[in-house]
Amino acid sequence: GEDVEQSLFLSVREGDSSVINCTYTDSSSTYLYWYKQEPGAGLQLLTYIFSNMDMKQDQRLTVLLNKKDKHLSLRIADTQTGDSAIYFCAESIRNQGGKLIFGQGTELSVKP
Amino acid sequence: DSGVTQTPKHLITATGQRVTLRCSPRSGDLSVYWYQQSLDQGLQFLIQYYNGEERAKGNILERFSAQQFPDLHSELNLSSLELGDSALYFCASSPSRQETQYFGPGTRLLVL
Repeated sequence: GEDVEQSLFLSVREGDSSVINCTYTDSSSTYLYWYKQEPGAGLQLLTYIFSNMDMKQDQRLTVLLNKKDKHLSLRIADTQTGDSAIYFCAESIRNQGGKLIFGQGTELSVKP
Repeated sequence: DSGVTQTPKHLITATGQRVTLRCSPRSGDLSVYWYQQSLDQGLQFLIQYYNGEERAKGNILERFSAQQFPDLHSELNLSSLELGDSALYFCASSPSRQETQYFGPGTRLLVL
């Protein structure tokens, strides 16, 4: 079946690294995505990784994919107060059009 | 700014009424997706259109319908509204049928 799970909350201190985790069940994922949602705002695409990759780095963001365990993580280096938001993990499934299956979102709180 | 526009930003209406939400995709994008975000269900895929044709269907109620017009903008029609339809409705677009999706700012619907 299709299911994406995330922990609901994460609190870190400014300047520390944040690691947000996500697990998914469908092994026919094509792409896995991370979106950010600030209060009252839409979903901002942060980064994505193709399902045959292990890692992708984009400035302060590092995405790690463990296909065997169906585990995806997003690491934010040098976390800033402006990074406080809800982070959603999402997967797209082969042969199901472009629909995205989203996790529940992880609320990241960055304390000064 | 993702380049996807949605109107209206907010909508307040009564049970039993009908509303239309409008979405303009990014320039050049052929696919439009609709999602519903609510507190109890999270982010749920509703429907996808590609170049005017329905491409994929998700958890969309029979009271809801959508279409994509020749100029590629899309409308989501919600009828016989119930209290439980109160949610944030997002539109997203992508260049093709199964590519990275960029989200609009959403329409917040409140049914009283």
